Amino acid sequence: DAGVIQSPRHEVTEMGQEVTLRCKPISGHNSLFWYRQTMMRGLELLIYFNNNVPIDDSGMPEDRFSAKMPNASFSTLKIQPSEPRDSAVYFCASTLGRGAFFGQGTRLTVV
Amino acid sequence: KQEVTQIPAALSVPEGENLVLNCSFTDSAIYNLQWFRQDPGKGLTSLLLIQSSQREQTSGRLNASLDKSSGRSTLYIAASQPGDSATYLCAAFSNDYKLSFGAGTTVTVRA
Repeated sequence: DAGVIQSPRHEVTEMGQEVTLRCKPISGHNSLFWYRQTMMRGLELLIYFNNNVPIDDSGMPEDRFSAKMPNASFSTLKIQPSEPRDSAVYFCASTLGRGAFFGQGTRLTVV
Repeated sequence: KQEVTQIPAALSVPEGENLVLNCSFTDSAIYNLQWFRQDPGKGLTSLLLIQSSQREQTSGRLNASLDKSSGRSTLYIAASQPGDSATYLCAAFSNDYKLSFGAGTTVTVRA
């Protein structure tokens, strides 16, 4: 398996634009997580899914953030409209309960 | 709600010294406990996974122990090297499918 695949690796966008981050989990994994990492706040859990169902989205900072998992092999995190304070590295991870695996992350810069 | 704490936040040791990193968690209802390493500007690399039924795991110079009843895990790194300098994070995978991280311990090994 190629591991958890995130795209794009880097994204630079202007304030107010919509941003969509994508994640393909490891095949067969049934839990998927979205995290955000900044120097100031460290690693924050935004939302997680189990069997494609969102279990807890209490970490989503604002209504501008939304996440979907339409099937077991794909998830998106959308920010609309984006703001400079959303600049961070966004990680996706997946697991089947025998260890979590992380993607390489998407470095988002909002100018 | 699972709370994961790592002490100390930072550690600096001379090369050759053994490292002891601590992780505590508040809810013992976990599937497993996982240790990760993160280098600056990079993603998270899994080091060791301890299932809830296990007491410890070893890989080379690394050994991790788990005491569920007291809510503690310890990562030991023997004979530290400058290449061990990184941030080490522990994560608890709970029965509600949540993967909760500590804030990490930043290790510096001086040559």
